[in-house]
Amino acid sequence: AQKVTQAQTEISVVEKEDVTLDCVYETRDTTYYLFWYKQPPSGELVFLIRRNSFDEQNEISGRYSWNFQKSTSSFNFTITASQVVDSAVYFCALSEATGNQFYFGTGTSLTVIP
Amino acid sequence: GAGVSQTPSNKVTEKGKYVELRCDPISGHTALYWYRQSLGQGPEFLIYFQGTGAADDSGLPNDRFFAVRPEGSVSTLKIQRTERGDSAVYLCASSFGVPGTGQTQYFGPGTRLLVL
Repeated sequence: AQKVTQAQTEISVVEKEDVTLDCVYETRDTTYYLFWYKQPPSGELVFLIRRNSFDEQNEISGRYSWNFQKSTSSFNFTITASQVVDSAVYFCALSEATGNQFYFGTGTSLTVIP
Repeated sequence: GAGVSQTPSNKVTEKGKYVELRCDPISGHTALYWYRQSLGQGPEFLIYFQGTGAADDSGLPNDRFFAVRPEGSVSTLKIQRTERGDSAVYLCASSFGVPGTGQTQYFGPGTRLLVL
């Protein structure tokens, strides 16, 4: 079974619109960590945020915000007032306390149209 | 400081040939990971090193794949008798400490391998 599900394969928005990227995860560990990465066309995965399972506080960083809800096993990512430079593939990832690897979702390709 | 670097950035080879992909992690990072990313997919774990030893190689698809990290820094992923299905982007990542503690993995730009 997929440990991280990103149901949205592709999203297109017009510049300045807000957009939310969904991430649903599955784990039996009580301690785990969630991440978001951005993969621009150049291909390099860029770290955006890390969250641990004991901290459900939402976080805001500039135009980016993250909503972590353990009750629904979701860790969604919102970009406010999107810009063309936000166009990229975004990956959600899970790291379990009992494991060695990151489990990645299949990614959401975001296109921001000027 | 310098990030994770990988060479070559692109590699084209013929079916049946041997290839080596190199990863130079961030200085001081003891943990090193290899992932493989196929088109339209997320990265998939191959192997994890802590220091010089392969602590977890459960993601290697078969015995044609092998990786080393002899001095605890640079790592080489080796693929023997390449097949067309091996075509993918091979990503390397590094982190402080041990996995399972929430350490962020920092990724290199990847090596795009094309097997003809």
